[in-house]
Amino acid sequence: QKEVEQDPGPLSVPEGAIVSLNCTYSNSAFQYFMWYRQYSRKGPELLMYTYSSGNKEDGRFTAQVDKSSKYISLFIRDSQPSDSATYLCAMSAWSHTGNQFYFGTGTSLTVIP
Amino acid sequence: DTAVSQTPKYLVTQMGNDKSIKCEQNLGHDTMYWYKQDSKKFLKIMFSYNNKELIINETVPNRFSPKSPDKAHLNLHINSLELGDSAVYFCASSQGAGAVYNEQFFGPGTRLTVL
Repeated sequence: QKEVEQDPGPLSVPEGAIVSLNCTYSNSAFQYFMWYRQYSRKGPELLMYTYSSGNKEDGRFTAQVDKSSKYISLFIRDSQPSDSATYLCAMSAWSHTGNQFYFGTGTSLTVIP
Repeated sequence: DTAVSQTPKYLVTQMGNDKSIKCEQNLGHDTMYWYKQDSKKFLKIMFSYNNKELIINETVPNRFSPKSPDKAHLNLHINSLELGDSAVYFCASSQGAGAVYNEQFFGPGTRLTVL
C-alpha cells in the first residue's frame, strides 16, 4: 500500500463550480499536510499547509484534515479557468534523518470557461 | 530572482550516454532534494542532502549519483542512460532537516528524454 493515495482524475468542471480534491494516507505519524499546485511544464508550488487536524481557509481555498479517518481534502470555491492544474497532496513525518515527505500522484483539474 | 534553478531545462540523449543535471538554490536553505516525476505525474523522491551530506537515498539504481559541492548546489549525474530514465527531474530545497516544518521550493524541472 502506498503511503499516500490520491485519485489522479482527470477532473473537469465548469467555471464557478466547487471542486473537492481528496487524499488518504496510512501513516499515522504524518503531522503536516500540504497541497501543491503544478501548472503544465512547471514545478510544484505550495498552495496551503495544515498542521494536524482541522480546517484552514485562504481565499477561495479551504484545506481540511481529518486525522482520525486519515483523510485530507482541498476545496476550491468559485473555480476559475486559472485553477486548471495538477494538484498534489503531500504529507510529512519527522524522523531521525529529518522531515520525510510523501506526495500523492496528483489530480489533474480542468476548469472550463 | 530565481529561488531554485536547474540546467538544462530539456535534455535529449541516446541510450547508454552519461549526463548531468545541475541545481542551485539561492534561498540559504540547508536541505536539497531530487525528485523524479513520471508520465503519470507521480513525484517520487530520489535523494535528499542536508548541509552537503546524504540523508535520504531511496531505492534508485546506482547509475544515479548525486553530488553536493556546497549546500547551495546539488547535481545529479546519470550513467548509462536507459529508456526508463525518461522523466521530468525536479530539484527542491527546504530550510533544514532540523526545522519542524519545511516548505519545499521546487525548481522548474529538467525534462529528460532518452532515445
